[in-house]
Amino acid sequence: DTEVTQTPKHLVMGMTNKKSLKCEQHMGHRAMYWYKQKAKKPPELMFVYSYEKLSINESVPSRFSPECPNSSLLNLHLHALQPEDSALYLCASSQSHRGRTEAFFGQGTRLTVV
Amino acid sequence: AQRVTQPEKLLSVFKGAPVELKCNYSYSGSPELFWYVQYSRQRLQLLLRHISRESIKGFTADLNKGETSFHLKKPFAQEEDSAMYYCALSSLIQGAQKLVFGQGTRLTINP
Repeated sequence: DTEVTQTPKHLVMGMTNKKSLKCEQHMGHRAMYWYKQKAKKPPELMFVYSYEKLSINESVPSRFSPECPNSSLLNLHLHALQPEDSALYLCASSQSHRGRTEAFFGQGTRLTVV
Repeated sequence: AQRVTQPEKLLSVFKGAPVELKCNYSYSGSPELFWYVQYSRQRLQLLLRHISRESIKGFTADLNKGETSFHLKKPFAQEEDSAMYYCALSSLIQGAQKLVFGQGTRLTINP
């Protein structure tokens, strides 16, 4: 299995809702990432987990809360989002957090905040 | 700070013509550069990386440290090359890998 799987593919949520995005990989990768991609823009890094520990937080607002329950799973908990948070959220994984290795990306979750 | 610049948002060439997608970077350390591609309705995927110095789908890219460039080239474009191309720079921050992407170039190959 050489894929990163993200669920759901689409999500519409209100500003008072709480929802979670899920990401799963079974390639044995020890680094996992969340990226945010606005329309017609490149992906922007949000968080990096290595060996299930948070290594990088790119000054992301606390309404986004990442979680890495085990080496195969990565969640992004969402609470009290704003309409400007609407975007494509991409999960990625790579073999090692230290080596600069290829990142494998999921298809993304398209989030709309209403 | 690291930065990646792709000066062309859109590039259109005819099938069989040469293609060059430009990428310049700014990084104070030893850079590692990648080209990622996103075909229509598909996920972002690696096309090639400078350290492997290989040709993928006929594309090559050479790292020029003097000009801080990593341009992507193909001598004869094919229609299936139409896609969004991102140049990316990998850096190590607090021991973890960070990928910074350029703005992307949408390549269209006309028949």
